[in-house]
Amino acid sequence: DIQMTQSPSSLSASVGDRVTITCQASQDISNYLNWYQQKPGKAPKLLIYDASNLETGVPSRFSGSGSGTDFTFTISSLQPEDIATYYCQQYDNLPPWTFGQGTKVEIK
Amino acid sequence: EVQLVESGGGLVQPGGSLRLSCAASGFTVSSNYMSWVRQAPGKGLEWVSVIYSGGSTYYADSVKGRFTISRHNSKNTLYLQMNSLRAEDTAVYYCARALRRDGYQVVGAFDIWGQGTMVTVSS
Repeated sequence: DIQMTQSPSSLSASVGDRVTITCQASQDISNYLNWYQQKPGKAPKLLIYDASNLETGVPSRFSGSGSGTDFTFTISSLQPEDIATYYCQQYDNLPPWTFGQGTKVEIK
Repeated sequence: EVQLVESGGGLVQPGGSLRLSCAASGFTVSSNYMSWVRQAPGKGLEWVSVIYSGGSTYYADSVKGRFTISRHNSKNTLYLQMNSLRAEDTAVYYCARALRRDGYQVVGAFDIWGQGTMVTVSS
């Protein structure tokens, strides 16, 4: 099975800061990588699919890049409403599909 | 409105069984790739199972042989039959639909989620 290593596990940043989260796959997954945001007590929300495609309605301050094994998720200017846990998820070829361990983003 | 509503969670003893339901509205379950994802208390997300529109099914290694995903077309409902439950199956279970874009589905990207149903396995 493909393992996803996400880092950091948590971060603290100021409003307006640029925030970057990385995700590394244990093998080449092309661009089959998604990013989700989850707020406490809520279902996850899809932000980015296929590594770099912004889901409809998601603010443009969110972006994703990468291919193969190394991927990056960026919030260009952190806003108070972005406080959440973020997960990467791979869906290369056939299941099983796997999520990263999550990154908890807090305001400094 | 496109919506998923889960039900069927609860408290069950180790070794017991439970069937979760996920009622869809605003779209047809049988025409979509549908998954179950779970989240243990205070932990991350874990993909559990998927049923393709063509009927193929896949499972995480942790539930293979114990859980069965299925759907009822006329009820427009997705199910997860969970047998031989263990304490480590305790989690919130979400059903989710694969993203639709320009007439195709991004099989492993989940854009529509239910609110989740809690399953607790304990004696």
